[in-house]
Amino acid sequence: DAKTTQPNSMESNEEEPVHLPCNHSTISGTDYIHWYRQLPSQGPEYVIHGLTSNVNNRMASLAIAEDRKSSTLILHRATLRDAAVYYCILLNRDDKIIFGKGTRLHILP
Amino acid sequence: EADIYQTPRYLVIGTGKKITLECSQTMGHDKMYWYQQDPGMELHLIHYSYGVNSTEKGDLSSESTVSRIRTEHFPLTLESARPSHTSQYLCASSADYNHVYEQYFGPGTRLTVT
Repeated sequence: DAKTTQPNSMESNEEEPVHLPCNHSTISGTDYIHWYRQLPSQGPEYVIHGLTSNVNNRMASLAIAEDRKSSTLILHRATLRDAAVYYCILLNRDDKIIFGKGTRLHILP
Repeated sequence: EADIYQTPRYLVIGTGKKITLECSQTMGHDKMYWYQQDPGMELHLIHYSYGVNSTEKGDLSSESTVSRIRTEHFPLTLESARPSHTSQYLCASSADYNHVYEQYFGPGTRLTVT
């Protein structure tokens, strides 16, 4: 499985944008970049995914570097309910989803 | 909302007992997974299945076993529970489409072995 590197933790103020970085310098051409998050006392949930182009959905935006060696998950206006562990994962067909340590996001009121 | 169920939600049991954690999904997904997670720690994949009669061990060695006789059902069994098995166990399923590898998780079973 391809590897990703994320900061252990980040802090942000409520109602401000949050940019969560992920480095994946060994990404292959067929790897899709996925983001999941795990809220306290819950299982992980899918957030967003992309291949080359930036992506938006109702939860977040995903900005992918032109060389695909890094990506950034953007929460446009963080709320207290966004406090969670965020996982950046590279996936290809039939890959097992290995979560790693992720980034623990703290939201300050 | 995902239709994946786990029972029991909480289980306290004595050392040496045999236990089975149940996991069922009604989405017709071929792929199912079991993860183990201690409080505040990483999720570790312990078993997965890509279809009926197919099971594989995950990245974390586990003394548990699994079976997949029906698509919707993926139970996990511990033949002889020990205190080291105390943890949360999360079941998930997924369907691959258009390169979206979206896993759906159940609510988890919190196991305590005394």
